[in-house]
Amino acid sequence: AQTVTQSQPEMSVQEAETVTLSCTYDTSESNYYLFWYKQPPSRQMILVIRQEAYKQQNATENRFSVNFQKAAKSFSLKISDSQLGDTAMYFCAFSGINDMRFGAGTRLTVKP
Amino acid sequence: DAGITQSPRHKVTETGTPVTLRCHQTENHRYMYWYRQDPGHGLRLIHYSYGVKDTDKGEVSDGYSVSRSKTEDFLLTLESATSSQTSVYFCAISSGGRAFFGQGTRLTVV
Repeated sequence: AQTVTQSQPEMSVQEAETVTLSCTYDTSESNYYLFWYKQPPSRQMILVIRQEAYKQQNATENRFSVNFQKAAKSFSLKISDSQLGDTAMYFCAFSGINDMRFGAGTRLTVKP
Repeated sequence: DAGITQSPRHKVTETGTPVTLRCHQTENHRYMYWYRQDPGHGLRLIHYSYGVKDTDKGEVSDGYSVSRSKTEDFLLTLESATSSQTSVYFCAISSGGRAFFGQGTRLTVV
């Protein structure tokens, strides 16, 4: 079974600074998707960024980018120019042939 | 918006009673999932479905059963609720490498 590990339960960053959230995963599949989701206090799950495993180019979405290292099974999220609205829980997720698994989450606090 | 609705949104039930949560989608997606979210554990997969009457267990399936008699509905049943099943439950669907979530159901077992 696939596993997803987020080793940073909590992180904080100053507004306008850059922060990187770590994620590693384990799988025997060759084709899969990786995601970062943001969950604010409203409990809504918001897709931040998505990476297709067969694409070598790292995905970017405005201030959000990933560092995808397929051989190392690593998928980190970089948030540039952090904003107060980025404060939330962040979940790394793996989607393979059938199921979709999540990490335990990283609580990010952006400080003014 | 993939048209996913969960019901009920909140429920309080007594230990030992059966409880059914419903996930309804309007987009005809094949894959549907049930997760529970607890502090320190993230979202853990309970069961998933890859088609009508096709379901499989996830990582925390004990005490839960599911049914999918129609494409649009995926039901999660707690046969005899226990306090350890107090949690927030999320339904999700995936299609084309994208996942969409319901609003969540907060279940409290007293």
